[in-house]
Amino acid sequence: QSVLTQPPSASGTPGQRVTISCSGSSSNIGRNSVNWYQQLPGMAPKLLIHSSSQRPSGVPDRFSGSKSGTSASLAISGLQSEDEADYYCATWDDSLISVVFGGGTKLTVL
Amino acid sequence: QVQLQESGPGLVKPSQTLALTCTVSGGPISSDNYYWTWIRQPAGKGLEWIGRVYTTGGTNYNPSLKSRVTASVDTSKNQISLKMSSVTAADTAVYYCARDLGYSWLDPWGQGILVTVSS
Repeated sequence: QSVLTQPPSASGTPGQRVTISCSGSSSNIGRNSVNWYQQLPGMAPKLLIHSSSQRPSGVPDRFSGSKSGTSASLAISGLQSEDEADYYCATWDDSLISVVFGGGTKLTVL
Repeated sequence: QVQLQESGPGLVKPSQTLALTCTVSGGPISSDNYYWTWIRQPAGKGLEWIGRVYTTGGTNYNPSLKSRVTASVDTSKNQISLKMSSVTAADTAVYYCARDLGYSWLDPWGQGILVTVSS
């Protein structure tokens, strides 16, 4: 059971906009920024969004992140086939004194 | 740019100690005050944070693994290490190292190493 809650799956057709939610609590998302990771099949995870809404250099602006209260969201617009991957949210938990991850969301591009 | 590479035995017997090394290239790990983190992923499952070590040696561990895990840094070799004692089949996973830029901002990651616990 993950500390952060993500839907196990999401899907969309090419060109669509998809959002993935990440729900936490006052000890983690409520106090700290959220980071998102993309894991392509057979690959190591890669940083997608940091500090809740900042895109690292090289990440397309189709990807965006937001945070409100104890929840965060990742939005992918103009969905492409290469976006098919697992997506994980992560943050620091002040009570556990540890990094916590969501269970991951498998995105399927139909 | 900074690159990370995990290494170690791919097969460990139950009850033994798993020992992994992460070699950092592209700059001295002591040049910036970052944490260096270990994460694992069982096949078909999600990511689990194991713990992190600061360049000066301070550590934080996942409470569920704390009693079995030790992370350390060797600045002379530009390496970080992970030791996990009393392993069982449940510890079979791909193990990743990553640089922690602050509170779960992990970048970059190593490619990962599969460790199987089996007799």
